[in-house]
Amino acid sequence: KAGVTQTPRYLIKTRGQQVTLSCSPISGHRSVSWYQQTPGQGLQFLFEYFSETQRNKGNFPGRFSGRQFSNSRSEMNVSTLELGDSALYLCASSKGTSGSLQETQYFGPGTRLLVL
Amino acid sequence: GNSVTQMEGPVTLSEEAFLTINCTYTATGYPSLFWYVQYPGEGLQLLLKATKADDKGSNKGFEATYRKETTSFHLEKGSVQVSDSAVYFCALVQQGGSEKLVFGKGMKLTVNP
Repeated sequence: KAGVTQTPRYLIKTRGQQVTLSCSPISGHRSVSWYQQTPGQGLQFLFEYFSETQRNKGNFPGRFSGRQFSNSRSEMNVSTLELGDSALYLCASSKGTSGSLQETQYFGPGTRLLVL
Repeated sequence: GNSVTQMEGPVTLSEEAFLTINCTYTATGYPSLFWYVQYPGEGLQLLLKATKADDKGSNKGFEATYRKETTSFHLEKGSVQVSDSAVYFCALVQQGGSEKLVFGKGMKLTVNP
């Protein structure tokens, strides 16, 4: 079974631009979560989508948004990029059937975003 | 709010040494607790978990016991191998309501032959 895939793997943007990251979950998984990983703040939860609806949300500003499609693939968008948005963005999927993030999360390799 | 505090390292051990990575948490209610591991060049993967007090999670020789009285979930392994070199993250999910997976800062472990 193929794992979680994320595209692109690397991205360079400039301040003020926007960016869209993509995540394809494991086949059959309906929950997709997004995380930001930085050396200073560590791993922080952004949001979780299930059945095309945002089910849980972390403490990030509205510049960070996401969506999920009917095939469970998810995209994350960051508008008006800031230098501090430079990070590794990780996506994770799970079956989602329990309705809880306690389910084992399967992580992708991440997209490394550099904002100049 | 919920938080996880863990040893940050980095830590370097010799092969066959005993490993303990401390993890304590702050949470309301009864969170589920996890250890995730990130091997070099790979994504995070679940190592073990425990969902209620006194539960012991175990996998690949690693163990951790959910201690509600000390709000801890320390990770231990009796004899580490070079292949255990990785970054280890302690995490929790608070049950019910709006959930999020909260991670500690991670600890980098290097095991030398």
